[in-house]
Amino acid sequence: SAVISQKPSRDICQRGTSLTIQCQVDSQVTMMFWYRQQPGQSLTLIATANQGSEATYESGFVIDKFPISRPNLTFSTLTVSNMSPEDSSIYLCSVGVVFKYNNEQFFGPGTRLTVL
Amino acid sequence: GEDVEQSLFLSVREGDSSVINCTYTDSSSTYLYWYKQEPGAGLQLLTYIFSNMDMKQDQRLTVLLNKKDKHLSLRIADTQTGDSAIYFCAEKQPGGYNKLIFGAGTRLAVHP
Repeated sequence: SAVISQKPSRDICQRGTSLTIQCQVDSQVTMMFWYRQQPGQSLTLIATANQGSEATYESGFVIDKFPISRPNLTFSTLTVSNMSPEDSSIYLCSVGVVFKYNNEQFFGPGTRLTVL
Repeated sequence: GEDVEQSLFLSVREGDSSVINCTYTDSSSTYLYWYKQEPGAGLQLLTYIFSNMDMKQDQRLTVLLNKKDKHLSLRIADTQTGDSAIYFCAEKQPGGYNKLIFGAGTRLAVHP
């Protein structure tokens, strides 16, 4: 398994500002993922963060709005830029642990963001 | 296309079995997952099943997969109040991409 921590756990921000969310994993993983869960909704993948390469963004998400860093195999950051109230969501980091026929996908506790 | 559907709400009596259902559209999905989310918490991986299996049991949890009908279910035996949560079904796209497509979640309410 993998233990994932995120900082901050929650924040309240003013519109127009930016927030960087950190994700730390207790083991080295190849792929890390960032998801968004809007209030009362399901999860949507924002991007895949691979170490040593540019992040791959899903349709509807762009690098200027959600820049991602992946400096090593245990850490990643997601920045929510120029925030608006529509960005109020839970942001979750996820990792995949693959071994033979096992493919486990673990999630961090999430960062609950409120934009005023 | 990619679509995962779940019923939104299920209410059961404590001690009874709960069955949460999920349907998906992508027949090439390789893994299917069940996650539990308690209020204010992240997602807890409960169990998952590889697409070449039709059943997986883990203590009180039983997963059934019907690939022909693209139907997945999660059965919780002897449901307890601590099982009250939102349960998400998710499918993994084939290949090494590891992207998960989630359903809307089923809110399970357990009453005495």
